[in-house]
Amino acid sequence: QAVVTQEPSLTVSPGGTVTVTCGSTTGPVTSTNYPYWFQQKPGQAPRTLIYDTTNTHSWTPARFSGSLLGGKAALTLSGAQPEDEADYYCFLSYPGGRWVFGGGTKLTVL
Amino acid sequence: QVQLVESGGGVVQPGRSLRLSCAASGFTFRNYGMNWVRQAPGKGLEWLAVIWFDGSDKYYADSVKGRFTISRDNTRNTLFLQMNSLRDEDTGIYYCARSWIPYSGFADWGQGTLVTVSS
Repeated sequence: QAVVTQEPSLTVSPGGTVTVTCGSTTGPVTSTNYPYWFQQKPGQAPRTLIYDTTNTHSWTPARFSGSLLGGKAALTLSGAQPEDEADYYCFLSYPGGRWVFGGGTKLTVL
Repeated sequence: QVQLVESGGGVVQPGRSLRLSCAASGFTFRNYGMNWVRQAPGKGLEWLAVIWFDGSDKYYADSVKGRFTISRDNTRNTLFLQMNSLRDEDTGIYYCARSWIPYSGFADWGQGTLVTVSS
């Protein structure tokens, strides 16, 4: 069973840039894993930020972007705001109808 | 606007069953795939199941395969999750989520319903 790996926690300064990465124990993450990124604030439902590696929904703030970086999926936040403090989850698709969330990254804006 | 409202959660004893519902509005329900995702207290997200727009395909996480069944009623704009043989570790908030396409994927999420499995 594939395990999706993320940094447990990261800290970014207000206005700064941070990248959250998403790896897979089965090998490099590629576009065929159709990576997703979600944001969840305490006491709230998750919100979808990125789908299929790089695509954003209409509600996704422009400061969030997705990419592939060194065999991993990546979520980059450029110009961090205090309201971006949250948990971030990636989600990967695998052959045979399997989908797996990463363990989440707690982002602190400090 | 898109609304997804989960219901049916509650306290249930181990081994018993529960049926969750997700009432959808603000979009053409029959055109989109739908998911169930759960979150145990203080833990991360766990994908449980997905159903294609027309119900023709369904996929499950290993942790719930054979115990949970996802279904939908496109005439009532409602998604269901039938949960049987519940275990303590099934405790958590259960979310339904809409895809952005007729198949697997994620766009909008509901606010969740809490299921507590306890004797």
